[in-house]
Amino acid sequence: RKEVEQDPGPFNVPEGATVAFNCTYSNSASQSFFWYRQDCRKEPKLLMSVYSSGNEDGRFTAQLNRASQYISLLIRDSKLSDSATYLCVVKSDRGSTLGRLYFGRGTQLTVWP
Amino acid sequence: DGGITQSPKYLFRKEGQNVTLSCEQNLNHDAMYWYRQDPGQGLRLIYYSQIVNDFQKGDIAEGYSVSREKKESFPLTVTSAQKNPTAFYLCASSSGQGASKNIQYFGAGTRLSVL
Repeated sequence: RKEVEQDPGPFNVPEGATVAFNCTYSNSASQSFFWYRQDCRKEPKLLMSVYSSGNEDGRFTAQLNRASQYISLLIRDSKLSDSATYLCVVKSDRGSTLGRLYFGRGTQLTVWP
Repeated sequence: DGGITQSPKYLFRKEGQNVTLSCEQNLNHDAMYWYRQDPGQGLRLIYYSQIVNDFQKGDIAEGYSVSREKKESFPLTVTSAQKNPTAFYLCASSSGQGASKNIQYFGAGTRLSVL
């Protein structure tokens, strides 16, 4: 079983739409969670960390459900510039892999005018 | 400007040839990482180093080698033993300390192709 599983999409939404991405992780001991954004043929860049109580950054809201080992990202009022691949990332806190990040395959989003 | 610099941006390898990808950072980060990304796939860890003169194998280390002689530098060699080297290679670093200790920052990547 993979450490991090994501629906690869693609998600195609009109400008102004609200879209949600989900992600599950396998290691219940994981403590740190992130969403990265990767534009086509570019490097991943940190979008936001995910905190236990949930957190918001402008139009972006991240949620964590530890019981279900589930992370979500909600994007409100989608912009054309939001078109990218969104990577769910989990930090391992397990033994020999302590400190490693595990990346999901990414969910592709296209926002159309 | 502080950051991570990877070079070259594009690299072509002939069969049987070893090639080395450069990664340099001036962020004073202790930890550095090499990932490989294939189309439609997630990032897979090749090697990582948490301190100078020490490194560990990741999930797909076969056919690759690294060194960490300086804190700023973590070069990756793709050897002739790596039979399918065509991919996008990403180098990352993290501080390992403070509020951002778990966040990895990436270089712009090197695209390697086989001639």
